[in-house]
Amino acid sequence: AQSVTQLGSHVSVSEGALVLLRCNYSSSVPPYLFWYVQYPNQGLQLLLKYTSAATLVKGINGFEAEFKKSETSFHLTKPSAHMSDAAEYFCAVRYGGATNKLIFGTGTLLAVQP
Amino acid sequence: DTGVSQDPRHKITKRGQNVTFRCDPISEHNRLYWYRQTLGQGPEFLTYFQNEAQLEKSRLLSDRFSAERPKGSFSTLEIQRTEQGDSAMYLCASSLGGGGTMSEAFFGQGTRLTVV
Repeated sequence: AQSVTQLGSHVSVSEGALVLLRCNYSSSVPPYLFWYVQYPNQGLQLLLKYTSAATLVKGINGFEAEFKKSETSFHLTKPSAHMSDAAEYFCAVRYGGATNKLIFGTGTLLAVQP
Repeated sequence: DTGVSQDPRHKITKRGQNVTFRCDPISEHNRLYWYRQTLGQGPEFLTYFQNEAQLEKSRLLSDRFSAERPKGSFSTLEIQRTEQGDSAMYLCASSLGGGGTMSEAFFGQGTRLTVV
């Protein structure tokens, strides 16, 4: 079955520290990959997406992610955390063909300490 | 266009009552999706429309749930005889697609349903 695994339901970093949020997908065929951010009581906002072009994808707010086929991973990073980055982050996959739905991971709640 | 709009934002209902939610997608988007998100979980796919046609439904969408998109624009999601387990955030998303293209899905702010 198609699935997405996010390691670490809670991640805490200090302001200015590196942010690393992990995402692994299950598939032998590279899917489309996305990272979304969700602030409390809000919908989801797209951070970045991978659609088989460059393996290093840059997104909004200084985030980037690298697609690694050999590791079936799409980890999200940001060199320096800001207080405003505190939110929940979801990795999602969309497989090609007739399936248009997104399959989401369970999310990682990022806390940023001053 | 201000994005995907959902109404109401919050709904409290008694068990056994029917509720209906509305989603207005981005105007030029032909694809519309409904997802359900429970506390501490990622969104789970419920159903998908391309224009007015409902092309995919999840097993999560029991007989008590029905979704429509009558003119290929706005959509409604109705839950009949609500149960406490239906309490969740219901998210609507839209995208532009077809002919081999795939654009990202834009999400609304959701409708939070509480069944008491």
